[in-house]
Amino acid sequence: GAGVSQSPRYKVAKRGQDVALRCDPISGHVSLFWYQQALGQGPEFLTYFQNEAQLDKSGLPSDRFFAERPEGSVSTLKIQRTQQEDSAVYLCASSVTRATEIPYGYTFGSGTRLTVV
Amino acid sequence: GESVGLHLPTLSVQEGDNSIINCAYSNSASDYFIWYKQESGKGPQFIIDIRSNMDKRQGQRVTVLLNKTVKHLSLQIAATQPGDSAVYFCAEFHFTGANSKLTFGKGITLSVRP
Repeated sequence: GAGVSQSPRYKVAKRGQDVALRCDPISGHVSLFWYQQALGQGPEFLTYFQNEAQLDKSGLPSDRFFAERPEGSVSTLKIQRTQQEDSAVYLCASSVTRATEIPYGYTFGSGTRLTVV
Repeated sequence: GESVGLHLPTLSVQEGDNSIINCAYSNSASDYFIWYKQESGKGPQFIIDIRSNMDKRQGQRVTVLLNKTVKHLSLQIAATQPGDSAVYFCAEFHFTGANSKLTFGKGITLSVRP
């Protein structure tokens, strides 16, 4: 597609519920990043994929967070047993460059706003 | 709905005036810097970038200045328009192999008065 597509746009989850957030990157983009953006804050790095390989997951806040990109295109961020502090906008970005290169052309999706009640 | 800029510092300027948005970055080893614009309900959008071996770069209506001595980055917007109203973030990038990543600073809300 023309841009990075994320779904759903909004998700309300009851505390303790599992959620899955989807990211469709730009076709052919090697790199895919997930960021978490709390209200009134800048995006914070969660994890990075180069094709299907998850090369960096240092930003995942707990073992309740899990991400995958099995075929090197679509990625899913899963959060198990959601807590109120997980409420945030989850942004996905893709890039034609690898993380070890100058990050030209990061394209962000519009994000999924997760609200845990 | 809630704004992405809630709780952020706000810069208010008159339409037509020039805007200067400032950012202090943390890592003196950062190699590359980017300014992003984020409108409500959207993801960050690239505005302009600059490498660490430069001190100034100009784009269309925007200029980025880098002062490595004091770790300061600024974004200048000429003839500010209502469409420039958004939250602005600076981001820094440091090459560390496979763990290289963009790190975002705290944002600033730009509000343009008609």
